[in-house]
Parts: sequence; C-alpha cells; structure tokens
Amino acid sequence: DIQMTQSPSSVSASVGDRVTITCRASQGISSWLAWYQQKPGKAPKLLIYAASSLQSGVPSRFSGSGSGTDFTLTISSLQPEDFATYYCQQANSFSFTFGPGTKVDIK
Amino acid sequence: QVQLQESGPGLVKPSQTLSLTCTVSGGSISSGGYYWSWIRQHPGKGLEWIGYIYYSGSTYYNPSLKSRVTISVDTSKNQFSLKLSSVTAADTAVYYCAKGGDLKEFDYWGQGTLVTVSS
Repeated sequence: DIQMTQSPSSVSASVGDRVTITCRASQGISSWLAWYQQKPGKAPKLLIYAASSLQSGVPSRFSGSGSGTDFTLTISSLQPEDFATYYCQQANSFSFTFGPGTKVDIK
Repeated sequence: QVQLQESGPGLVKPSQTLSLTCTVSGGSISSGGYYWSWIRQHPGKGLEWIGYIYYSGSTYYNPSLKSRVTISVDTSKNQFSLKLSSVTAADTAVYYCAKGGDLKEFDYWGQGTLVTVSS
C-alpha cells in the first residue's frame, strides 16, 4: 500500500502569510494527487487535482506542484476563511490513500 | 451540479452490519468514468477511503477493510450503498459518500452521516 505523509502536522500563521504544506508518497504516484480543505463539521472540499490543476471556483491563491513522490500545496496570501485542515490524497493504481492532515490555525 | 446525500441508521450494535445508502442527484450514476466511493472519518481523526464502485460495476476496497465491506449500486434509483459487517466501536465514524472524477479526485461529497457503534 502507498503511504502518505504530510508536514508540518500543524502551522500557526497570520492573515496575509504565505503557507506551504508538503505531502510525500511512499512510492511514485506520477501526478495522481489531490488536495482538500476541511472545516469543522463539514465535508472536505476539493482544491487541487492532478497535482497542480485548480478546481473550478477555488481562489487562485491556492496552488499545487510536484510529481513522483513529493508535492506541495501553497496558499500565497492566507485569508481568514483559509483556517482549516488540509489533506492530500493519492490515487495511484486502484486504491486511494489520504495523508494525515495539516491544521492551519491563527497565530 | 451533482449532489450526494447519505442515509441510514445512526446507531448500530456491535457485531451487526452497518448499512448506508447514498442518493445521487443532478447526474446519472451509470454515466461513464466515475468512482462512486465511501470514505470515513473517525472522530477527530483523518480520512480513510473505504472503497468504490466504478460505473461499470467493478469494485475495489481498502485492503484493511476488504473482508467486511460490500459496495453495490442500484442504477434504477440512482443510489449506491455500503455494507460493513461485524462492526465494533472502532467503526464509529462519520461516513461520507463521494464522487471520484476523471482524474481520481473526489470532486463532490455528501454532507456525511455519523454512525455510532454501541450496544
């Protein structure tokens, strides 16, 4: 099975900060990676798919990059509504795995 | 706009079978290329993919749950379902149904339903 790790597990940041979250796969997954945002009590929301494609309706301050085993999600200028938990998800072969999550909270 | 809605009992006794249904609206479940999936989240924890049924009817399950999981589809009702057998307290979680898109991303989600396993 492909395992996913994320770093950091949590980050404290201020409005306007640039935030970068890293996701690593235990083996190569090409660009089969997505990023989600989840707020308490809500379903996850798709932000990025295929490693770097922005989902329709998602603000352009969100961007994704990477391929193979190492990926990043960047929020260029953190907004108040961005405080949430972020998950990566791989979809190599026939199975799917999520990373453990990164919580972004207010500094 | 595709919408998904989970339904089923919120309380299941240990050793029994958890059964949930996801009703899809705004799109046909039998249209091509999509992975109709179940995902769960233990309280305060991360996301765990349970399995999916492809539009063709083929299924694939998380190896850690495979022996207890069945996902089926009823195209006449535009629904797909989850059965998880021999549940224990460790199966207490919020269960989500989701649509897996062309590039295997989960682009639409249900609101989630909390299932508690307790006697």
